[in-house]
Amino acid sequence: AQTVTQSQPEMSVQEAETVTLSCTYDTSESDYYLFWYKQPPSRQMILVIRQEAYKQQNATENRFSVNFQKAAKSFSLKISDSQLGDAAMYFCAYRGSNFGNEKLTFGTGTRLTIIP
Amino acid sequence: SAVISQKPSRDICQRGTSLTIQCQVDSQVTMMFWYRQQPGQSLTLIATANQGSEATYESGFVIDKFPISRPNLTFSTLTVSNMSPEDSSIYLCSVISTGGYEQYFGPGTRLTVT
Repeated sequence: AQTVTQSQPEMSVQEAETVTLSCTYDTSESDYYLFWYKQPPSRQMILVIRQEAYKQQNATENRFSVNFQKAAKSFSLKISDSQLGDAAMYFCAYRGSNFGNEKLTFGTGTRLTIIP
Repeated sequence: SAVISQKPSRDICQRGTSLTIQCQVDSQVTMMFWYRQQPGQSLTLIATANQGSEATYESGFVIDKFPISRPNLTFSTLTVSNMSPEDSSIYLCSVISTGGYEQYFGPGTRLTVT
């Protein structure tokens, strides 16, 4: 079974600075997808960024980028120019690529605080 | 991405009663899922809602406790039956759109059982 580990329960960063959230995962599959979701106090789960395992290039979405290290099974999220609206719980998630294996396995989350 | 709505957004229920949560999507989707998020915890998949057939449940979740319906490609319901305080959680519907692989989530239903 796949597992996802987020070793940082809480992180904080000064506004406008850069922060990196860590995620590692364990799988025996060679093809899969990885995601970062953001959950603000409103509880809405918002997809921040996604990465296909077969792509070597790291995904980027505006101020959000990932460092995907397939051999190390590591998938960290970098937030640049942090803003107050980035404060939230961040969850790393894994899903397989095969039919019938679409469910998401989540990490335990990292609570990010932005310091004004 | 699909627009997903859930009803109710929150409810307070008495022990022993049942609550049905609705999930409506604005477009046809290939897959629909129901997740539970217990207080201060991460998300756990309850089941995959299959259109026109019985849902596929994850280990630890059973149909008698969490019956699920999916009569068409845009709508699903989750019932939490014979509730106890341990069922107090956020319940989230999610979907995979046709042709995509990302999962998008509804706004969630916050359930409190007293």
